[in-house]
This record gives sequence, C-alpha cells and structure tokens, in this order.
Amino acid sequence: AQSVTQPDIHITVSEGASLELRCNYSYGATPYLFWYVQSPGQGLQLLLKYFSGDTLVQGIKGFEAEFKRSQSSFNLRKPSVHWSDAAEYFCAVGANAGGTSYGKLTFGQGTILTVHP
Amino acid sequence: KAGVTQTPRYLIKTRGQQVTLSCSPISGHRSVSWYQQTPGQGLQFLFEYFSETQRNKGNFPGRFSGRQFSNSRSEMNVSTLELGDSALYLCASSLGAGGGYTFGSGTRLTVV
Repeated sequence: AQSVTQPDIHITVSEGASLELRCNYSYGATPYLFWYVQSPGQGLQLLLKYFSGDTLVQGIKGFEAEFKRSQSSFNLRKPSVHWSDAAEYFCAVGANAGGTSYGKLTFGQGTILTVHP
Repeated sequence: KAGVTQTPRYLIKTRGQQVTLSCSPISGHRSVSWYQQTPGQGLQFLFEYFSETQRNKGNFPGRFSGRQFSNSRSEMNVSTLELGDSALYLCASSLGAGGGYTFGSGTRLTVV
C-alpha cells in the first residue's frame, strides 16, 4: 500500500528565508509524486509533479522539488519565501499507469507554513 | 480554460438526510476522483470514475456512492448523514493517462 509522511506539522520561517518541506513516501515501484498547496477554505492547487525523467522538478511560484529514490523522499524547496506563501502544503503519491491504485492519490497529513514579516 | 467546478459550495443538512454533490471536470478530462477532508483524518480518497466506470474505491461505508455521466460530470451521494460526515468534499479531474490532478474548490458540508 502506498503512504506518505510529512514529518513537520508546522513550520515557521521569516520572509526572505529559504524553505524546505519534507516528504517521505512508500510505494513499491516508481511513483507519481505531487505537491499541492491549500489556502484556508479553498481547494488544492498543484505546485509541481514528478512522473519520470529529471529528478529536479520546477513548479509554479518559484518552488522546486527533488525526487530521491534512495531516500524515498520528495522534498519541496523555495530559495526565498514570500508572505503570500503562508498556507498548508500537501505531498501526495499516486500509482503509475497500470497500478491497481491508479487514479487514487494518497496524501500526507500536511505542513502548515507560517511566514513572519 | 474553465477549471473544475463543484456545486454547491456550502451545504447544511440534518442528520439522517441524504445529500448529492456535483462536480464538472475540465473539458476533455475523463477521470474524476472524490476526496473527503477533515481536520482529524486529513485528505482521504473516496472513489474514482473513468469513462462512467468506478475504477477505484476508498475505505468508506456504502452510504457513500457516486456516478459519472457520459459528459464526464460526476455526482457523489451520501445517504443517512451522520455528524461525522461534516467535511470539505473535494473533486479532482484528470486526463486519466498519468496526467496531473486538478482540484475544485470543494463543497463544505455541515451536518447538524
């Protein structure tokens, strides 16, 4: 069964500081990996996704993530955080094509990001 | 292009009633998935439909059901509502061929 762990429930950073949100996954083969962001009361917005190829993935809003198979990790990074980045961030794993769980995303518990001015 | 549209945005129902939520996917997307989000359990997968067929189902009781129409629009139904069904219900659509999943803004269901 697939699973995702986000070890940090809450992270606080200062505006302009760098950010790294951690994500570890469990999946039997090469997974599809996603990072989503959610503002209060809103749906999920896709930041970036990894399916195959280059392990460093660029996303929207200046975010990037690196897939490390040996560590089963897909950490999200941003070099300089803006106050508008304050939100909740979710890492998710999905089965690749043909897997029995195809079409299903398994989410981590989320990391709440607070940005201090 | 238009995103994923979920209606209604907010809903208040009484325990024991039933409710139907609607999701219109992005044009051309054939896969529609439903998720329940609560503070205690987080985001949990309900089911996924592709070309009118349920392809995958999460671990929810039979009171939760869904369907997909020929135009890919989907509905989910919850019968005999319980207080614990209060949640944000999110719908996501995808091309279905390993593409990304685009989420709607959700329907906030409150059961009183």
